[in-house]
Amino acid sequence: AQSVTQLGSHVSVSEGALVLLRCNYSSSVPPYLFWYVQYPNQGLQLLLKYTTGATLVKGINGFEAEFKKSETSFHLTKPSAHMSDAAEYFCAVSGKGSSASKIIFGSGTRLSIRP
Amino acid sequence: DAGVIQSPRHEVTEMGQEVTLRCKPISGHNSLFWYRQTMMRGLELLIYFNNNVPIDDSGMPEDRFSAKMPNASFSTLKIQPSEPRDSAVYFCASSSTGGDNEQFFGPGTRLTVL
Repeated sequence: AQSVTQLGSHVSVSEGALVLLRCNYSSSVPPYLFWYVQYPNQGLQLLLKYTTGATLVKGINGFEAEFKKSETSFHLTKPSAHMSDAAEYFCAVSGKGSSASKIIFGSGTRLSIRP
Repeated sequence: DAGVIQSPRHEVTEMGQEVTLRCKPISGHNSLFWYRQTMMRGLELLIYFNNNVPIDDSGMPEDRFSAKMPNASFSTLKIQPSEPRDSAVYFCASSSTGGDNEQFFGPGTRLTVL
């Protein structure tokens, strides 16, 4: 079974500041890990994903995340926030292998950017 | 590729009426998911299909909700009768089983039940 915990339902940072959105997961099998972003009045779109190999994953719009197995974490970061980053961010986990195709989503973190 | 297509984008109806939401997954994808999103409950998985077969419908709130997937390129989510508490944004997503399970989301249908 898999589960995801996102720490902080709302994060606010200043424009140009570091963005850090926290995600911890639980999985009984090697996981696939995802970050999705949802802009207002839109569907979810993939920001980045970890499947195998390099544990530091780079995504779109300057975001990156690091898979840390020992900490069961997959935190999302961006060195310098931009006003256009304001959105809701969802961390998600899926089980590797088998026929499992379901993704378990976290409850989401709303990111606000202060001018 | 046109991506996942949902219709209608907006639906306003009165309590008691039947509502049908439609989804066309990405061609070649064999898994399809229906989600509901509200401020109170967040994103909820309602049901998902693999190869047109319903696999897990444990998220369907009650018997008023039903979903079908008659073929690989079309699915419907029906609410009959609708109630004001069904007001939400309903998303459809598709993925390809056997890959990394990445899901591709449609733009959603915003349902308002008066």
